[in-house]
Amino acid sequence: GNSVTQMEGPVTLSEEAFLTINCTYTATGYPSLFWYVQYPGEGLQLLLKATKADDKGSNKGFEATYRKETTSFHLEKGSVQVSDSAVYFCALGGGTSYGKLTFGQGTILTVHP
Amino acid sequence: EAQVTQNPRYLITVTGKKLTVTCSQNMNHEYMSWYRQDPGLGLRQIYYSMNVEVTDKGDVPEGYKVSRKEKRNFPLILESPSPNQTSLYFCASSLWDKETQYFGPGTRLLVL
Repeated sequence: GNSVTQMEGPVTLSEEAFLTINCTYTATGYPSLFWYVQYPGEGLQLLLKATKADDKGSNKGFEATYRKETTSFHLEKGSVQVSDSAVYFCALGGGTSYGKLTFGQGTILTVHP
Repeated sequence: EAQVTQNPRYLITVTGKKLTVTCSQNMNHEYMSWYRQDPGLGLRQIYYSMNVEVTDKGDVPEGYKVSRKEKRNFPLILESPSPNQTSLYFCASSLWDKETQYFGPGTRLLVL
């Protein structure tokens, strides 16, 4: 079945530092890949997505590239802000798992001034 | 405002007492889903629905029931709650392609 593995957290950075959160996946077929963000006390919201190999999703300064050869979808941001502190979830859906969305365990990011 | 609403937001109950968590969306979405979030496990899908009267099991359906009689509503039913169902529950909806899911604010459930 499908699975998503995220890097262990929590991640603590200073403001303006470079961020990478690793995500690798196992799936059959051709899934779409997503990053969702959960701010404290809120539900999840879509941050970015990529629907096929070599696609790059981007939003709010965050980027991730769908790498089929390494089965990865790492999240990056060049300069984080305190307001980026949240929990980040990598997820995949579609492919042969029609109707199901599989999430990673989440990575807690804390950014200090 | 486009949104997914859940009620109640917080619930404390006792083992065996049936409960229902409601979920409603106003975006005319075909697809709706329930997840539970537990520390270190991320979100796990409980049930999903592709449209009215069409539901299917996710990864952790045991102990839960759902129904989809109307397009906008997708209630989650716990017939006989147990302490291992203590969790944070999220409802989500999307268009038929499931590309972008919109999440509700969550329901925190404690079963004693």
